[in-house]
Amino acid sequence: GENVEQHPSTLSVQEGDSAVIKCTYSDSASNYFPWYKQELGKRPQLIIDIRSSVGEKKDQRIAVTLNKTAKHFSLHITETQPEDSAVYFCAASSNSGGSNYKLTFGKGTLLTVNP
Amino acid sequence: GAGVSQSPSNKVTEKGKDVELRCDPISGHTALYWYRQSLGQGLEFLIYFQGNSAPDKSGLPSDRFSAERTGGSVSTLTIQRTQQEDSAVYLCASSLVTRQETQYFGPGTRLLVL
Repeated sequence: GENVEQHPSTLSVQEGDSAVIKCTYSDSASNYFPWYKQELGKRPQLIIDIRSSVGEKKDQRIAVTLNKTAKHFSLHITETQPEDSAVYFCAASSNSGGSNYKLTFGKGTLLTVNP
Repeated sequence: GAGVSQSPSNKVTEKGKDVELRCDPISGHTALYWYRQSLGQGLEFLIYFQGNSAPDKSGLPSDRFSAERTGGSVSTLTIQRTQQEDSAVYLCASSLVTRQETQYFGPGTRLLVL
């Protein structure tokens, strides 16, 4: 089955700096890669996703890049703000073998943005 | 509209007791998922429903875990004879269909087994 590795496990940046979180996946058939943000005590919420037909997607200060050859994808947050502090999870999904419902998550990155 | 809701929000139980966790998905969402989140870990897939059917139960940790969904809506996750290692946050999510659609999560049930 799919395995998703996420790094780093913790990341501390100064307000205004950029933050990058990286994930690798094992199943070459994976083609959908969402990112979820979970604030302390809150539910995970989708912040951006990318499908394998594109290499990059941006939404304001957030961008995700995908390298299918290397089987890794990354989340980039620019001009970080204290409210970006949260745990970020990457996930991967494959539509092979009828498993296109199943998200395999990384273990999360605790991002702290210091004022 | 209303999001995914779960109850109870917190549950403390004694080892060996049974617990039931409830999930109310977003109205009209045909797909429903259960995940477990242990401290410092990612989200571990448990089971998913398409309508009332559960085609994949492979993520359930043991035969003490079971789940059902009725009327294509509410789902219940039951843990029998709870063990301390069952302590975790149990998250439910729903999506419009079982394709690679956005999954909307509930607030979770924090289970503590003493």
